[in-house]
Amino acid sequence: SQQGEEDPQALSIQEGENATMNCSYKTSINNLQWYRQNSGRGLVHLILIRSNEREKHSGRLRVTLDTSKKSSSLLITASRAADTASYFCATVASGGGADGLTFGKGTHLIIQP
Amino acid sequence: NAGVTQTPKFRVLKTGQSMTLLCAQDMNHEYMYWYRQDPGMGLRLIHYSVGEGTTAKGEVPDGYNVSRLKKQNFLLGLESAAPSQTSVYFCASSWRAGSYNEQFFGPGTRLTVL
Repeated sequence: SQQGEEDPQALSIQEGENATMNCSYKTSINNLQWYRQNSGRGLVHLILIRSNEREKHSGRLRVTLDTSKKSSSLLITASRAADTASYFCATVASGGGADGLTFGKGTHLIIQP
Repeated sequence: NAGVTQTPKFRVLKTGQSMTLLCAQDMNHEYMYWYRQDPGMGLRLIHYSVGEGTTAKGEVPDGYNVSRLKKQNFLLGLESAAPSQTSVYFCASSWRAGSYNEQFFGPGTRLTVL
């Protein structure tokens, strides 16, 4: 079963605008990760946020985590055409780890030039 | 440093045929994973391995077998392919368990079962 659910399923914005996508999950987690997948390619890790962290930055990316609401958000600032991709959140359940990540269905982001 | 590589990139099988997908990593990672991705879906874990000679079942293991005879290789086998196994298969590896760090993914194998 899929732990995370991203929202929206699809998002189209103009280049230069900010893009925000959300992820909700069901059970307690150890950490939450965001991955990007370009069309026809494998997934690339973007950022990891641990359950005791509330916010994390990496370049133009900002991730927040609210464990009380079991939700996370990914903000991409000053979007570029190259940001067009699908974005997935993935979780590791508390007490888990070796048994892989649980992915949501993803948000498909399109950046219009 | 090639990272994670997968062979083949594409394959078409007939129902009942068998095949093996090969995953190789050159990062000396202990943990390796096989996922499948269906249209409009996230990845689902098939099997994983926490080290050479060990394997374990993931969320959707039925119809698949795996082997990890060498640390750098993780094989996924389909003994009798079914149309429901049409999917894109991704291999991933990580230095430690997923609770501590990121996974590195291969480019995927697109499998069609007729």
